[in-house]
Amino acid sequence: GQNIDQPTEMTATEGAIVQINCTYQTSGFNGLFWYQQHAGEAPTFLSYNVLDGLEEKGRFSSFLSRSKGYSYLLLKELQMKDSASYLCAFMDSNYQLIWGAGTKLIIKP
Amino acid sequence: GAVVSQHPSWVICKSGTSVKIECRSLDFQATTMFWYRQFPKQSLMLMATSNEGSKATYEQGVEKDKFLINHASLTLSTLTVTSAHPEDSSFYICSARDLAGGPSETQYFGPGTRLLVL
Repeated sequence: GQNIDQPTEMTATEGAIVQINCTYQTSGFNGLFWYQQHAGEAPTFLSYNVLDGLEEKGRFSSFLSRSKGYSYLLLKELQMKDSASYLCAFMDSNYQLIWGAGTKLIIKP
Repeated sequence: GAVVSQHPSWVICKSGTSVKIECRSLDFQATTMFWYRQFPKQSLMLMATSNEGSKATYEQGVEKDKFLINHASLTLSTLTVTSAHPEDSSFYICSARDLAGGPSETQYFGPGTRLLVL
């Protein structure tokens, strides 16, 4: 079967670094996505990984290990505006996105 | 680039009426658009996949006669909630897949439509 799991909520301090983990199980895999969703708004695309390794984009980086069914989103130099839900999703063999429930990230001053 | 718009952003209607939501890809062509529903503090739930020029594919448990989807062009898909009831109140979000393929099939989301049925 297919499943995807990420922590429900995390708390971090402004200026610090936080890592949000995502684990998944699937027989067909076409990449893993991370999206950011602020309360009351639609998700916005952050990153896409299809090969193993780390992809860096400014303050945000995303890592993938296909053999372990594992990804993480790393946020550096946290800002208050980074308070949001972070959704991971993998694309299955039918090119359909399977969504995690999202991790609510709370940033404290 | 890759901007998706939705209209309306907010709608309040009486029970029993029908509501149409439009989803447009503004600066790219989308052969495939997706319709999601999201209840408060829950994750996205895919309702249906809309392909230009063909019938939509509905997820299990989603009534195709209640949620009518039309994808008449490469830039427009519509979702009509027929005979809406209070339990249909939710946040409806569309997304579109860039025909050119983006960073491999990335979906870009519209801003969402908040529906409240009284």
